[in-house]
Amino acid sequence: GAGVSQSPSNKVTEKGKDVELRCDPISGHTALYWYRQSLGQGLEFLIYFQGNSAPDKSGLPSDRFSAERTGGSVSTLTIQRTQQEDSAVYLCASSLFGSGSSYEQYFGPGTRLTVT
Amino acid sequence: QKEVEQNSGPLSVPEGAIASLNCTYSDRGSQSFFWYRQYSGKSPELIMSIYSNGDKEDGRFTAQLNKASQYVSLLIRDSQPSDSATYLCALSGSSNTGKLIFGQGTTLQVKP
Repeated sequence: GAGVSQSPSNKVTEKGKDVELRCDPISGHTALYWYRQSLGQGLEFLIYFQGNSAPDKSGLPSDRFSAERTGGSVSTLTIQRTQQEDSAVYLCASSLFGSGSSYEQYFGPGTRLTVT
Repeated sequence: QKEVEQNSGPLSVPEGAIASLNCTYSDRGSQSFFWYRQYSGKSPELIMSIYSNGDKEDGRFTAQLNKASQYVSLLIRDSQPSDSATYLCALSGSSNTGKLIFGQGTTLQVKP
């Protein structure tokens, strides 16, 4: 079946602008995660959704970052007033469940964000 | 101490050899462990998951977990040049939210 999809694949924006990144998880997956990967850095957790609620937002780096999920499916990550340090690849992953033994997470292709 | 530690490499092995990738972790409450493969410019691809102590085999891949020693490893038998990639160790930690904590990854080079 279809995997996790993300859009756009690339986004170049000017410092100070807002951006929205979209993630469409694997059909039937109830859990959705956002991570980011900066050049030379490991994968950094941002936020976790179970259904439409976000029990763990501990990785969001500042209040400029927010995310929502609607209909238990598509999620949008919004970065307001972008800064150059926000430049990274933003990765979305989904899993069948968010707890128990079904943590296996499958990643989308990512959105490469460049802030100039 | 980092939560998940991996040798960054590169680990270089000849084609056909066994590649051994290692990972140690600090959170004794971690329950679920994963290995991802990431080709340059691509997103991580799940290749193995392991939840219990011991070995788990899938084709040319074997994951080994030792919770007492806080150690997880990945063996790749009959290594192929197409296995050349960065291998990421990830674990769930004890938060039980499904959030994964990743190591920095080990770069594997398989030379023909």
